Amino acid sequence: NAGVTQTPKFQVLKTGQSMTLQCAQDMNHNSMYWYRQDPGMGLRLIYYSASEGTTDKGEVPNGYNVSRLNKREFSLRLESAAPSQTSVYFCASSEGGGYQPQHFGDGTRLSIL
Amino acid sequence: KQEVTQIPAALSVPEGENLVLNCSFTDSAIYNLQWFRQDPGKGLTSLLLIQSSQREQTSGRLNASLDKSSGRSTLYIAASQPGDSATYLCAVGNYKLSFGAGTTVTVRA
Repeated sequence: NAGVTQTPKFQVLKTGQSMTLQCAQDMNHNSMYWYRQDPGMGLRLIYYSASEGTTDKGEVPNGYNVSRLNKREFSLRLESAAPSQTSVYFCASSEGGGYQPQHFGDGTRLSIL
Repeated sequence: KQEVTQIPAALSVPEGENLVLNCSFTDSAIYNLQWFRQDPGKGLTSLLLIQSSQREQTSGRLNASLDKSSGRSTLYIAASQPGDSATYLCAVGNYKLSFGAGTTVTVRA
């Protein structure tokens, strides 16, 4: 049971570089999410996709773009990485609606020098 | 903007003691409240979800209550075990979850 799979698990970038974080779920969930987790600040929502073909901004969308490639996959792109984007990034999915629990991947630890 | 607070930030108890974790939120117009567990270096695992129309949810040794009028939820873990050591986070919302910073629990054997 893979659940939510994130790649890569670790990445180091230089300021100004770009990269895409990948996320895939095998639970046939409709909704997918990207969060970042910083020490002492809890998780903050970057973008979410309520259903295939839709995406919406969360609390901290600046500097990021997302693509809902299909029902299974939801990617997060950093076009020009900045040190302030050093964080742990989590992808999550849920069946849909506001009354279903979210299931999380194990995260991508991203350092930007 | 919904603000979610968890106090204390850390808690250490001897094995067998009951755990009481607190979560408060500023906007009572919530869809649901979720409690998660996070182990070091891992993602979050959903423990309990309480819909806005419910007052509590139970799963095994875990019980979570919700009082929307006071903006509070409490997670009770009965008869704690060393394996319960983790960070516990609460979150409120629907699609857009607002998270607290978590309470890190250590259960001493």
